Amino acid sequence: DIQMTQSPSSVSASVGDRVTITCRASQDISTWLAWYQQKPGKAPQLLIYIASSLRSGVPSRFSGSGSGTDFTLTISSLQPEDFATYYCQQANSFPLTFGGGTKVEIK
Amino acid sequence: EVQLLESGGDLVQPGGSLRLSCEASGFTFSTYTMSWVRQAPGKGLEWVSVLSGSGGSAYYAGSVEGRFTISRDNSKNILYLQLNSLTAEDTAVYYCAKIGVDGEFFGHWGQGTLVTVSS
Repeated sequence: DIQMTQSPSSVSASVGDRVTITCRASQDISTWLAWYQQKPGKAPQLLIYIASSLRSGVPSRFSGSGSGTDFTLTISSLQPEDFATYYCQQANSFPLTFGGGTKVEIK
Repeated sequence: EVQLLESGGDLVQPGGSLRLSCEASGFTFSTYTMSWVRQAPGKGLEWVSVLSGSGGSAYYAGSVEGRFTISRDNSKNILYLQLNSLTAEDTAVYYCAKIGVDGEFFGHWGQGTLVTVSS
């Protein structure tokens, strides 16, 4: 199974800050990676797929990069509605696996 | 608009069984791969199972293989998950999710249904 390791597990940031979350795969997954945002009590929502493709309707302050084993989600200017937990997910092979999550909290 | 509505979650005793349903609308159900993802209370996301549009190909997480069965009724636009031999570790919110065409990514999610396994 492919293990997905996210860091940090939590980050405190202020509105307007640039936030970067990393995700490392235990083996090469090419660009078969997605990022999700989840708010408390809600279902996750897809933000980025194929490592860097922004889903329609997602604000352009979100961006993804990387390939192989190392990936990054960047929020260029954090907004109040961005405080949430973020998960990466590999889609290279079954079983599909998620990272442990990164909670973005208000500083 | 894509809508996914799960149901069937309940309190069940260890060793018991349950069947979850996911009613889909807003898209041509039979042409899309569908999946179940779960989330234990206060924990992260765990993929459970996936089923092709035709119902011919299914995959399971190792933690549920042999105990859970995914199926679908394309005439009714419903995805199912049969849960057997339940343990406390299966306690979670179970989400139904629609897989996109660009890879095994979860493009749409339902609101989830809670399964609690406890005596």
